[in-house]
Amino acid sequence: AQTVTQSQPEMSVQEAETVTLSCTYDTSESNYYLFWYKQPPSRQMILVIRQEAYKQQNATENRFSVNFQKAAKSFSLKISDSQLGDTAMYFCAFMKSGNQFYFGTGTSLTVIP
Amino acid sequence: NAGVTQTPKFQVLKTGQSMTLQCAQDMNHEYMSWYRQDPGMGLRLIHYSVGAGITDQGEVPNGYNVSRSTTEDFPLRLLSAAPSQTSVYFCASSYPLGQGGNTGELFFGEGSRLTVL
Repeated sequence: AQTVTQSQPEMSVQEAETVTLSCTYDTSESNYYLFWYKQPPSRQMILVIRQEAYKQQNATENRFSVNFQKAAKSFSLKISDSQLGDTAMYFCAFMKSGNQFYFGTGTSLTVIP
Repeated sequence: NAGVTQTPKFQVLKTGQSMTLQCAQDMNHEYMSWYRQDPGMGLRLIHYSVGAGITDQGEVPNGYNVSRSTTEDFPLRLLSAAPSQTSVYFCASSYPLGQGGNTGELFFGEGSRLTVL
């Protein structure tokens, strides 16, 4: 079975600072994908970034980047230059073949002005 | 550009009542799924479908039925609502992994908040 663990239920960061959200997963699969989704107060689920497990290079999308450590089964999200609009719940997700998704319990991030 | 459309957005039911949450997507996605979101538990898969006429159970299927008669629609039926089914429900769709270079990311509807009294 696949499990995704987000050990930080809540975090806060000062505006313009950098914050890292942690995620670990457990799987015996060799080929899979990892995602971070953002859920602002509007409740809409928004894709932030994705990482293919077979790629060694860490994915980057503007201010968002990941630190993917395959051997350690770790997939952390770094948000640089935090903005008020980054305030949201962030979910780490694992996907294996067959489009089977497994989500973590989420980290609630608050950006403080 | 509608994407994934869920209706209704809010619903209040009494215990024992039945209802259907509607989900439609206009992206020609083969894969569709239903999740429920509860505080402290993330998103849990209820049912999913890999194509018209094919459905399967997810992690928490009890009390729910689905059908997939067309590629576009994937309704979720609550047979006899219980207070434990009070939750926010999300429908999501995606292309199969690898099709056309897609990485299988999920596209979500806006969610439906259901309260069972």
